[in-house]
Formats: sequence, structure tokens, C-alpha cells
Amino acid sequence: SQTIHQWPATLVQPVGSPLSLECTVEGTSNPNLYWYRQAAGRGLQLLFYSVGIGQISSEVPQNLSASRPQDRQFILSSKKLLLSDSGFYLCAWSSLAGGETQYFGPGTRLLVL
Amino acid sequence: SQQGEEDPQALSIQEGENATMNCSYKTSINNLQWYRQNSGRGLVHLILIRSNEREKHSGRLRVTLDTSKKSSSLLITASRAADTASYFCATGGKTSYDKVIFGPGTSLSVIP
Repeated sequence: SQTIHQWPATLVQPVGSPLSLECTVEGTSNPNLYWYRQAAGRGLQLLFYSVGIGQISSEVPQNLSASRPQDRQFILSSKKLLLSDSGFYLCAWSSLAGGETQYFGPGTRLLVL
Repeated sequence: SQQGEEDPQALSIQEGENATMNCSYKTSINNLQWYRQNSGRGLVHLILIRSNEREKHSGRLRVTLDTSKKSSSLLITASRAADTASYFCATGGKTSYDKVIFGPGTSLSVIP
């Protein structure tokens, strides 16, 4: 069966520090991968999605970036965190492109101080 | 772009009662999905209904879709305290380039 992992679960970082969040998927090949951010009590904002290795589409201009160095690995990064980067970051995968079912990881709660 | 908007934003009911949440969207869709999120956790997919379907059941869940009104409803029957969570609708677009768009969610509290 397929599983998706995210780490770390929680992270407290100072403003201006770098960020690296990792997401890996097991049990499937060529998944579509997504990074979302969720503000407290709000819906999900799509940040990046990828349909293959090295293929990244950005939805929202910001100081974040994403990379997909391997088929089942998706990394969210920042060179310098802002206070506004605080939030709950969710990684998800789907087996088909477009608007099909997505399967979410447990999330990373990021607090930038 | 298509967008799901749930209402109510928050709903509080007694255990055993039915809970109904609604979702409206703006453009043509291929499918509509409902997800559940427990506090501080990832989302869990509940059910997907395609644009050519009108109603779908899964256990205590019943989802309806009215494409003429661009709306959907999620009914949870005989609610339990464990159903307390946030519920999101998400719309899938017509083409493979469209992404799933999530609404802001309905926060459901089931009081024992």
C-alpha cells in the first residue's frame, strides 16, 4: 500500500533562517506531488505541484521553492524565512494529473519567530 | 477558476443528529471531493462524486451533486463525537492541467 511521509512534524525557526521540508512517497511510481500551506482555521493554498522529476510548477509567488530530485521525493525550501511563512505545510500525492483524489501526509507545523 | 466554498463555516450538533454541510463552486468541474481533517493532522479523502453522478453513499456519508446549481452537500447521519473535524470540499477541473481547488472548510463539532 502507498504511504506518504513528511518531516519534521514541527519546526520552530528564526526569521531569516533557511528551511527544508521533506516529503517522500512509498508504494507508487510517477506520482503527482503537491505542497500546500494552511493558515490556522483556513483552507489549503496550493504552493507547488510536480508531475515528474525536475518538473515544478509554482502557484503563488513567494520566497519558497520546491525541488523533486527523485521520483518519490519532494522538498520545500527557503533561503530566508519570513514571519508570514508560519503555517501548516502539507504534502500530497495523486496517481493521476488533474483533479483526482489526493492523499495527504501528516503535515509539518512551522513557526517562524 | 473553480472554487469550493463551504457553508456553514462552523456547525455544532448533538451526538446522534445528522450533520449537513454544503459546498458551492463557480465553474464546470470533472468531479467534486470531500475531505476530512482532524485538528493538526493531514486531510483524509472521504468520497469523490463525478459530474455525471447525482448522489453517492459511503457508510454514514451521503453526498449529492447538483451541477445546474453548482452545489454539493455532505450529509453525515447519526453523528458521533469522533466525527468532530473540519470538512473540506474540493473541485477537480475539466482538464488534466486543472488542479484540485479546496474550499475554506466547515468545522463540525459533535457534542457527546
